[in-house]
Amino acid sequence: DARVTQTPRDKVTEMGQEVTMRCQPILGHNTVFWYRQTMMQGLELLAYFRNRAPLDDSGMPKDRFSAEMPDATLATLKIQPSEPRDSAVYFCASAVLTRDTQYFGPGTRLTVL
Amino acid sequence: TQLLEQSPQFLSIQEGENLTVYCNSSSVFSSLQWYRQEPGEGPVLLVTVVTGGEVKKLKRLTFQFGDARKDSSLHITAAQPGDTGLYLCAGADNAGNMLTFGGGTRLMVKP
Repeated sequence: DARVTQTPRDKVTEMGQEVTMRCQPILGHNTVFWYRQTMMQGLELLAYFRNRAPLDDSGMPKDRFSAEMPDATLATLKIQPSEPRDSAVYFCASAVLTRDTQYFGPGTRLTVL
Repeated sequence: TQLLEQSPQFLSIQEGENLTVYCNSSSVFSSLQWYRQEPGEGPVLLVTVVTGGEVKKLKRLTFQFGDARKDSSLHITAAQPGDTGLYLCAGADNAGNMLTFGGGTRLMVKP
């Protein structure tokens, strides 16, 4: 049963600390997305990759967020330094193509105090 | 960026009632998907509609894609507490580009 995995599931940290979230996409999926979800803003696209290359990261605050795919089995989203307004659930999703069904991971719930 | 407006944003009903939620846009989509998200989980695909006017049924859920492929609806018959969740629509544009997600309809079905 192939699925997207994310770690950690929950993260509580203090303002100013670095946060790294990890995602393992479904094997064979060439497109990986990072989303942020809050009650106020809903599901926001932060960045996405195709064949490990970043295609669009216009949804990310560039000064503090960075997203990478070191290899085909790992995507990372890093926040440095973190701020309370970054508190949200961060989802990773993977797909074969950008318009295809997206398979979401369980999310990382981030709380920045 | 193509915008998808979902309505209502929140809906609280009693078990057994029927409901319809809507997904509207001024843009044409090549396909539209509906996802359901349960608390503590990521969204999960329910259905994809591709053809204008298409109707798909999934047990008590009926999905319709507008004739002009700009809107869609989800009708639930005899809602059950297990239907509780966030319903998201997402559309792919005619160029086949990535999905744009709507803001979602948060449904609560009370026993």
